[in-house]
Amino acid sequence: DTGVSQNPRHKITKRGQNVTFRCDPISEHNRLYWYRQTLGQGPEFLTYFQNEAQLEKSRLLSDRFSAERPKGSFSTLEIQRTEQGDSAMYLCASSQTGTWYNSPLHFGNGTRLTVT
Amino acid sequence: GESVGLHLPTLSVQEGDNSIINCAYSNSASDYFIWYKQESGKGPQFIIDIRSNMDKRQGQRVTVLLNKTVKHLSLQIAATQPGDSAVYFCAEGPGGSNYKLTFGKGTLLTVNP
Repeated sequence: DTGVSQNPRHKITKRGQNVTFRCDPISEHNRLYWYRQTLGQGPEFLTYFQNEAQLEKSRLLSDRFSAERPKGSFSTLEIQRTEQGDSAMYLCASSQTGTWYNSPLHFGNGTRLTVT
Repeated sequence: GESVGLHLPTLSVQEGDNSIINCAYSNSASDYFIWYKQESGKGPQFIIDIRSNMDKRQGQRVTVLLNKTVKHLSLQIAATQPGDSAVYFCAEGPGGSNYKLTFGKGTLLTVNP
């Protein structure tokens, strides 16, 4: 499978604990995105990388959230001191270099986080 | 604020019929529009996209129509099949160097055999 890979698929954690998710993009894609999706809603943008540079962060990304892409390949999203409101599906997407219309975002199947 | 929305939250069709899913957008500066299909437990799957300088684009069994005058986007699915049952999202992008997509709420399409 050469699509976007996300691990773990599911994570259950207790409030206050830290969690980390991993995303492996499609190999030739240099852009990587994190989105969050709650039940019944569309995905919401969190952050975007081009290679290893984090170029944009949403206001949704509080200081408890940090994303990295150290070598411009895989990325990690860490949430510290989790809260129940963090429960959601965390989606990773990647795209090729180029203009919008030649490089649509391709999403992984997400990591579903449940904070108890 | 600016937003992307959907006219109908649910749509039920018979297998073999054509489906039309509608989407309204309010940001006249949006340059790019895209439709995704999301099945239960999976991430959004790219279907088709269109730039703002076009009014129609066709793919395999799907057509996207863009009406900039009324800020309306639609997805037409020909000969709908049970495998088309999913939630469909439209999303808009501002274009240029900003790669942030804004998604609508989604329409649940159910195809009855």
